[in-house]
Amino acid sequence: DAGVIQSPRHEVTEMGQEVTLRCKPISGHNSLFWYRQTMMRGLELLIYFNNNVPIDDSGMPEDRFSAKMPNASFSTLKIQPSEPRDSAVYFCASSPLTGFYGYTFGSGTRLTVV
Amino acid sequence: GENVEQHPSTLSVQEGDSAVIKCTYSDSASNYFPWYKQELGKRPQLIIDIRSNVGEKKDQRIAVTLNKTAKHFSLHITETQPEDSAVYFCAAHSGTYKYIFGTGTRLKVLA
Repeated sequence: DAGVIQSPRHEVTEMGQEVTLRCKPISGHNSLFWYRQTMMRGLELLIYFNNNVPIDDSGMPEDRFSAKMPNASFSTLKIQPSEPRDSAVYFCASSPLTGFYGYTFGSGTRLTVV
Repeated sequence: GENVEQHPSTLSVQEGDSAVIKCTYSDSASNYFPWYKQELGKRPQLIIDIRSNVGEKKDQRIAVTLNKTAKHFSLHITETQPEDSAVYFCAAHSGTYKYIFGTGTRLKVLA
């Protein structure tokens, strides 16, 4: 298995622009998570899905952030409009729905908003 | 909701010595506790986990202990090596398949 695949690996954008981050979970994993990592705040859970349904989006910082999971093999995290304080590494992770298993993280997207 | 505290934030040890990282959690219903290692510029990777029905688990030089009464769990690394240098995160299960992470411990193993 190729693992959790995220794209792009790096994104530099200007303030006010729309940014879309993409994630393909491991096949057969029914839970998908979006995390943001910064030096100041560590790993923050933004939103997670079970069987493509958003379960908890309480970590989404503002209405500028939105996430979708149209099918079991694809999810997007969109920021519109982007701001410099959104600069961070965004990780997607997946895990089997049943039982307790550690997440498998993707390689992350390093977002820089200038 | 769940809250996870992790200590220390940084830890330096001499090569060959042991390192211990401690975490506490608040939700008594939590029953799964994974540990992740994150090397510089890379993704967090699961290195060991423990479920609430056991008190200790070992995997070569790494061990994790769990005290459910006190609501704390610890990571023990013995015979540390330079390649153990990384940031380590603990996590606790909270709610349906959602994990809350600690703030991380930066471990430096000095050669």
